[in-house]
Amino acid sequence: EDQVTQSPEALRLQEGESSSLNCSYTVSGLRGLFWYRQDPGKGPEFLFTLYSAGEEKEKERLKATLTKKESFLHITAPKPEDSATYLCAVQAPEAGTALIFGKGTTLSVSS
Amino acid sequence: DGGITQSPKYLFRKEGQNVTLSCEQNLNHDAMYWYRQDPGQGLRLIYYSQIVNDFQKGDIAEGYSVSREKKESFPLTVTSAQKNPTAFYLCASSVGDTQYFGPGTRLTVL
Repeated sequence: EDQVTQSPEALRLQEGESSSLNCSYTVSGLRGLFWYRQDPGKGPEFLFTLYSAGEEKEKERLKATLTKKESFLHITAPKPEDSATYLCAVQAPEAGTALIFGKGTTLSVSS
Repeated sequence: DGGITQSPKYLFRKEGQNVTLSCEQNLNHDAMYWYRQDPGQGLRLIYYSQIVNDFQKGDIAEGYSVSREKKESFPLTVTSAQKNPTAFYLCASSVGDTQYFGPGTRLTVL
């Protein structure tokens, strides 16, 4: 069965303290890996799509990387406004275009 | 403004009632999706539709029904057969591989 596991479940950082979130997956024939940001009570906001091992994408303080078994979301010098839940999802051939989500990592950044 | 709208934002249901959640998009996307989100769990797929007048069941379709009569609209009905409907419901649409989400509807059973 296809699975997506995110770690840690929760992460507390001080402003400026860089760290990484992990997303490991077991999918046969990965078609794409997606990162979303979700604020409390709101819908997920699209961040990145990664398709092949070695690929990297950046946006402001966020950088996503992909290997054959996992993806990392690196947060450099975070600010309090980066506090949110970060969701990882994969697209597998048998699921059509639908996504399989992990449970998310809740990031809290304090000033 | 292009986007996905969901209504209502909050919905309360009595035991035994059917309720319908609205999802509309003006992005001209072909595919639309419904997910359910429970505390501490990932989003789970209820139904999806890749084209008008066609839809497929997701992992947790029991107790739910959908229709896709127009490209812009993909309403979800939560029937009385759904025994634990209290959750946050998210609609999405996609162009290519990327899905974009609406703001969600929070359904509570009284």
